[in-house]
Amino acid sequence: DVKVTQSSRYLVKRTGEKVFLECVQDMDHENMFWYRQDPGLGLRLIYFSYDVKMKEKGDIPEGYSVSREKKERFSLILESASTNQTSMYLCASRSGTSGLLSSYNEQFFGPGTRLTVL
Amino acid sequence: AQSVAQPEDQVNVAEGNPLTVKCTYSVSGNPYLFWYVQYPNRGLQFLLKYITGDNLVKGSYGFEAEFNKSQTSFHLKKPSALVSDSALYFCAVEEYGNKLVFGAGTILRVKS
Repeated sequence: DVKVTQSSRYLVKRTGEKVFLECVQDMDHENMFWYRQDPGLGLRLIYFSYDVKMKEKGDIPEGYSVSREKKERFSLILESASTNQTSMYLCASRSGTSGLLSSYNEQFFGPGTRLTVL
Repeated sequence: AQSVAQPEDQVNVAEGNPLTVKCTYSVSGNPYLFWYVQYPNRGLQFLLKYITGDNLVKGSYGFEAEFNKSQTSFHLKKPSALVSDSALYFCAVEEYGNKLVFGAGTILRVKS
């Protein structure tokens, strides 16, 4: 059974802290994604990666960075957490080569991390 | 730019009745269309997709969706709703070589 796991289900951090969200997939997928989910806004893409050490900005990259040192792991970093980054964060992976040129394949999602920044 | 609209924030239906969750999209080229479902406190699960071919697509849990190019719609349907179908449903669209764009989501409530 395919699996995407995220390091924490719930996280509470203080303003200004550096926050690491970890995502691991066991499907040997080339492509990995980070989204944030907010009520009424659906899912918005933060960053994605189509290969180890490769990353591309999504629609809302400001205040975030990512790291992909190994194929199975994709980390989202909040350099200095702010209250407006309180949200649900979802990681996903998808098979296919050449990054975005695998559009016909569905994405597999992790359970999400609900982050609260106080 | 790609966009997706789910015009209903919430859909209420009685158990056993047919259900429809609406989705319209806008792309400049040929769309790849997806439906995902999110049960409480869980991540998104893939339901079905339209890439090409037959306009009626069948997916998991008895759901189906019809691609209508002239109306730029991809409505999700099920002939007989179950209470366990209650969840948050997302429509998403992607153009070849572009990013997946999600709608805002529709809450489906099925009452017994």
